[in-house]
Amino acid sequence: SYELTQPPSVSVSPGQTARITCSADALPKQYAYWYQQKPGQAPVLVIYKDSERPSGIPERFSGSSSGTTVTLTISGVQAEDEADYYCQSADSSGTYVFGTGTKVTVL
Amino acid sequence: EVQLVQSGAEVKKPGESLKISCKGSGYSFTSYWIGWVRQMPGKGLEWMGIIYPGDSDTRYSPSFQGQVTISADKSISTAYLQWSSLKASDTAMYYCASLYSSGGFDYWGQGTLVTVSS
Repeated sequence: SYELTQPPSVSVSPGQTARITCSADALPKQYAYWYQQKPGQAPVLVIYKDSERPSGIPERFSGSSSGTTVTLTISGVQAEDEADYYCQSADSSGTYVFGTGTKVTVL
Repeated sequence: EVQLVQSGAEVKKPGESLKISCKGSGYSFTSYWIGWVRQMPGKGLEWMGIIYPGDSDTRYSPSFQGQVTISADKSISTAYLQWSSLKASDTAMYYCASLYSSGGFDYWGQGTLVTVSS
């Protein structure tokens, strides 16, 4: 089955840049999506189709893709960005999959 | 405004059946896929399956195939997730989410907490 691997945790100081990677274990890779989930809340889509930002999502959130790895970058991290982040994609048969999740801690 | 409103928390015993719901509003319910996502306590998101309410085309994650049933009633804009015989390991938060315009899960319900305990 298709798997997406993320680092378990990323720590960053306020104002610095956080980068979260998501690696697929197979090709071809379809578009990737990123979700932010704060404690006790439902996930929120922050990046779609690798690098597009939904309306209402701050510009400090950006996404990129290279080969079988996609990256979520949070520039100028703020305390409110502390959350769990999940990547998500799909395989060629239309089966969806979420990444393992990354906890972002703002020091 | 697109909204997905899920049914309330449930406490059940092992072996009991359960059907939880997700009601969509503010958009054409029959035109967009709705998925179900499990989150066990302290764990990550797991995609369970997805349904197209327009024709009830349904796809399941191999991990959940045969374990749950996903359905929809387009006349009342509601999707369902059901179990015929719950296990303690089904204890989790369950979210519905729509594939609306981005290709990803744009809108999410508030979640339904299911607790299975004897």
